[in-house]
Amino acid sequence: EAGVVQSPRYKIIEKKQPVAFWCNPISGHNTLYWYRQNLGQGPELLIRYENEEAVDDSQLPKDRFSAERLKGVDSTLKIQPAELGDSAVYLCASSPYTLNTEAFFGQGTRLTVV
Amino acid sequence: DQQVKQNSPSLSVQEGRISILNCDYTNSMFDYFLWYKKYPAEGPTFLISISSIKDKNEDGRFTVFLNKSAKHLSLHIVPSQPGDSAVYFCAATGAGGTSYGKLTFGQGTILTVHP
Repeated sequence: EAGVVQSPRYKIIEKKQPVAFWCNPISGHNTLYWYRQNLGQGPELLIRYENEEAVDDSQLPKDRFSAERLKGVDSTLKIQPAELGDSAVYLCASSPYTLNTEAFFGQGTRLTVV
Repeated sequence: DQQVKQNSPSLSVQEGRISILNCDYTNSMFDYFLWYKKYPAEGPTFLISISSIKDKNEDGRFTVFLNKSAKHLSLHIVPSQPGDSAVYFCAATGAGGTSYGKLTFGQGTILTVHP
């Protein structure tokens, strides 16, 4: 069974430019997460979806970040405009349900803003 | 505030010996705890979990212990192998409050197992 697939793996952009990340979760997983991991830290949740509904976006910087999960499967995370402080690894994860279960992570997208 | 803390940034162990990684938490709403392993340039991989109704869960060489009164959990790896060298993250989640439906991670501990 295929795992969580993310693309691109690496992205280097200049500040103020837009950037988008794509995620394909494990088939049948209704819950999808976007996490951000800064250097030397653990992942931090940005947004959680239940099917196509964003049920927890309290940590998403909504002035510049947006996300969507059309049809409750694939998801994209966008930053516009990017700032230097957005440099991090962006991780997508999915799980079959919400509570008391592990999340399965993709390989992540390493974003460098210069 | 850091609700999940791993106070040891790194740990070095000889092959064949026991590795003990520690984790403390502050949020009383946490009732499910997980350990993830992460290799460079890869996403975190689930290792083992424990529910708050248990105090121990074992899977092969890996055992997680939970002390609810102390809000402390630990991961024991016995015997340690060089392939275990990675960053280990403790994570917690719960069914209520701000912990609902999301994993809160510690900062990670770098484990190095020497041959």
